[in-house]
Amino acid sequence: DVKVTQSSRYLVKRTGEKVFLECVQDMDHENMFWYRQDPGLGLRLIYFSYDVKMKEKGDIPEGYSVSREKKERFSLILESASTNQTSMYLCASIGTRAEQYFGPGTRLTVT
Amino acid sequence: QQQVKQSPQSLIVQKGGISIINCAYENTAFDYFPWYQQFPGKGPALLIAIRPDVSEKKEGRFTISFNKSAKQFSLHIMDSQPGDSATYFCAASIRTGTASKLTFGTGTRLQVTL
Repeated sequence: DVKVTQSSRYLVKRTGEKVFLECVQDMDHENMFWYRQDPGLGLRLIYFSYDVKMKEKGDIPEGYSVSREKKERFSLILESASTNQTSMYLCASIGTRAEQYFGPGTRLTVT
Repeated sequence: QQQVKQSPQSLIVQKGGISIINCAYENTAFDYFPWYQQFPGKGPALLIAIRPDVSEKKEGRFTISFNKSAKQFSLHIMDSQPGDSATYFCAASIRTGTASKLTFGTGTRLQVTL
């Protein structure tokens, strides 16, 4: 079974703080993704990575950056958290048949 | 921007009934159409998927119907059960030069009543 884990289930941060969300997958997948999920908007792609140290912007990259130093680990960074970044953040990795496996999500609240 | 439009936003079905969720897409380059099921507090999980070279795929009580000419696909849940109550997302995948990227619909919250 593919396992995608995220470092925190719930996180509360203050405006202006730097926030790190970590994701680890155990299937040696090359492609990993970060989404945010908001009611009525579905899942929106923030960034994805197709190899170690390689990344591409998704549909809503503003205010975020990512890091992928090892194949199994993909980090999402909020350089200066703002209240409009309060959301559910989902990490995923992709298998050989284009199926995506999601982590359990991190619910981030920025106050 | 590539879009996948999903309807309805919410759905209430009686136990034993058929739940139907519809999606429409615009980009004919999409080549993989998965459906995800998400329970509260969990990440989405792949439920069933179809490629555009077939018109229907069935797995247990779940069926995808795919209409390539209309650019529409739908999820049918037969004999709906209270345990099917969840949020369902359709998606469409396109292969870019570096990865396969999914575009998601906005989700349908299904409630199956007794």
